Amino acid sequence: GAGVSQSPSNKVTEKGKDVELRCDPISGHTALYWYRQSLGQGLEFLIYFQGNSAPDKSGLPSDRFSAERTGGSVSTLTIQRTQQEDSAVYLCASSPEGTSRNEQFFGPGTRLTVL
Amino acid sequence: AQSVTQLGSHVSVSEGALVLLRCNYSSSVPPYLFWYVQYPNQGLQLLLKYTTGATLVKGINGFEAEFKKSETSFHLTKPSAHMSDAAEYFCAVRAGANNLFFGTGTRLTVIP
Repeated sequence: GAGVSQSPSNKVTEKGKDVELRCDPISGHTALYWYRQSLGQGLEFLIYFQGNSAPDKSGLPSDRFSAERTGGSVSTLTIQRTQQEDSAVYLCASSPEGTSRNEQFFGPGTRLTVL
Repeated sequence: AQSVTQLGSHVSVSEGALVLLRCNYSSSVPPYLFWYVQYPNQGLQLLLKYTTGATLVKGINGFEAEFKKSETSFHLTKPSAHMSDAAEYFCAVRAGANNLFFGTGTRLTVIP
């Protein structure tokens, strides 16, 4: 079956512009995660959605970052007034349940470059 | 709080040699532990995971890892490296939180 898909695969933007990154999780997966992978660093948790519950936004680095998940499926990560330090690969993952044991299935990521 | 330390950002082995990638974790509650592999320009793929039960877990592509609570370790091993194993490997822990905490990764190079 189809895995997690993300679009665009690459995004180049100018400092100060807003960007939207899209994630299509695996059908039926109720949990969705966004992570950021910066050069030379590990993956940094950003936000978590589980069903209709309020999202866990504890990892968002600033109020310029926001995310929504419509209809319990597709998610959009928005970065407003982008800065050069926002340049990274943004990874989305989904999981069939929100319990700790379950594997997270990752998409290929969106590489964001802020000039 | 949880954290993961991967010793060695780069590891090189000869083809056919033992692969050992080190991972130590910190957790105040019983952890779930994961190893992911990332090939160039691809997303992360799960190699193996430990939740409960047997402390030696086997994964895909001949990899295995052993959970050692006394050492707070979850090292990844493979008896014989193959050229196709060249990739970046991430150890992760999940304990009492929604998300995974990842290490900074180890890039494995396999020398022919």
